[in-house]
Amino acid sequence: DADVTQTPRNRITKTGKRIMLECSQTKGHDRMYWYRQDPGLGLRLIYYSFDVKDINKGEISDGYSVSRQAQAKFSLSLESAIPNQTALYFCATSDAGTVGSYEQYFGPGTRLTVT
Amino acid sequence: KQEVTQIPAALSVPEGENLVLNCSFTDSAIYNLQWFRQDPGKGLTSLLLIQSSQREQTSGRLNASLDKSSGRSTLYIAASQPGDSATYLCAASGGGKLIFGQGTELSVKP
Repeated sequence: DADVTQTPRNRITKTGKRIMLECSQTKGHDRMYWYRQDPGLGLRLIYYSFDVKDINKGEISDGYSVSRQAQAKFSLSLESAIPNQTALYFCATSDAGTVGSYEQYFGPGTRLTVT
Repeated sequence: KQEVTQIPAALSVPEGENLVLNCSFTDSAIYNLQWFRQDPGKGLTSLLLIQSSQREQTSGRLNASLDKSSGRSTLYIAASQPGDSATYLCAASGGGKLIFGQGTELSVKP
């Protein structure tokens, strides 16, 4: 089984709809991240969480919100989807560095299309 | 603000060639530098991670080096194969976050 899973893998939705992307991990890591990838713009950080009670905005958080339901679960919500949120979304995890190296491990991605 | 740049954006080589992919970063206060591989429409696979105290890391035909003073990292691929065709991304870690370059799209021709 994959260490970092994302659901759904593909989603098509309409403008104005609320949508949630979910991420689960079995690596036991405290830190979790959400990125989006756009052609020509690379990967950009949306939100990150260093533990269950810690949520931080990334580079491009406008229009998004997150919830850290447990150490293993981190979800990303689009409250009212718009077409320019069409992108490939990735969840990632890392250790906290005290015994590890902060190496990040990525999920398989969710391809979101907003029409 | 950290900025990461990868040159070239695309590279095409014949099978068997040794090649070097370049990554530069503007802020030398990084914790580590990570190289990833991404196949079209797929997720990221971590290839190598170099801690800030290290100079290089090796895995099979891959060798990555890090020179913090010059703000550069290179990924060396020996004896390239068609299966190496993918996009290679580097990312600099600071403050617990990764800043990505835009990647080098590699094509290895049989």
